[in-house]
Amino acid sequence: GESVGLHLPTLSVQEGDNSIINCAYSNSASDYFIWYKQESGKGPQFIIDIRSNMDKRQGQRVTVLLNKTVKHLSLQIAATQPGDSAVYFCAENGVSGGYNKLIFGAGTRLAVHP
Amino acid sequence: DAGITQSPRHKVTETGTPVTLRCHQTENHRYMYWYRQDPGHGLRLIHYSYGVKDTDKGEVSDGYSVSRSKTEDFLLTLESATSSQTSVYFCAIKDVYNEQFFGPGTRLTVL
Repeated sequence: GESVGLHLPTLSVQEGDNSIINCAYSNSASDYFIWYKQESGKGPQFIIDIRSNMDKRQGQRVTVLLNKTVKHLSLQIAATQPGDSAVYFCAENGVSGGYNKLIFGAGTRLAVHP
Repeated sequence: DAGITQSPRHKVTETGTPVTLRCHQTENHRYMYWYRQDPGHGLRLIHYSYGVKDTDKGEVSDGYSVSRSKTEDFLLTLESATSSQTSVYFCAIKDVYNEQFFGPGTRLTVL
């Protein structure tokens, strides 16, 4: 399948543990943030988003935390499962080059061990 | 998958040849995007479209052109492929909630 990245930081966790994946964003004016999951050979898959007027948002087994003071975003996955193994990356919605666009991080590889 | 398909899924071509990648969507979304994904980089925007015949450049548009003659199709053309354009190309749409959904990708190798 398509190679996402050869030298991504990797987070290794045991099945059943909670996982926390972190992301630093660059633009304090960004108003919308998204986490994506990308499995080998597939396109990025939307997981959860959060607007800048929120600090926390929960989904099914996932929680996103936004700290605007330090421009930091995290994705928490509860009770991590082997099927969660993938590359995760954040994206921020901001203005760059004169237009509104998503700016993507390089990603973190999550490896879940049974 | 938001009804997005890409073709071809894999292509090998030679330097200097023109290549066209196709993105097709079935849900009438107005906004469509072409990204490339390379090791060590996040997804980088090549071009985007905000309607039929309305397109604009992204951050890495040199060597690429696009066309959108119908709502459902967004074509990416490499006018004269170079080895630096070896990459995985993703098409995306933006829905009414401003969420972007991606296609399955096209792996392009330029020899």
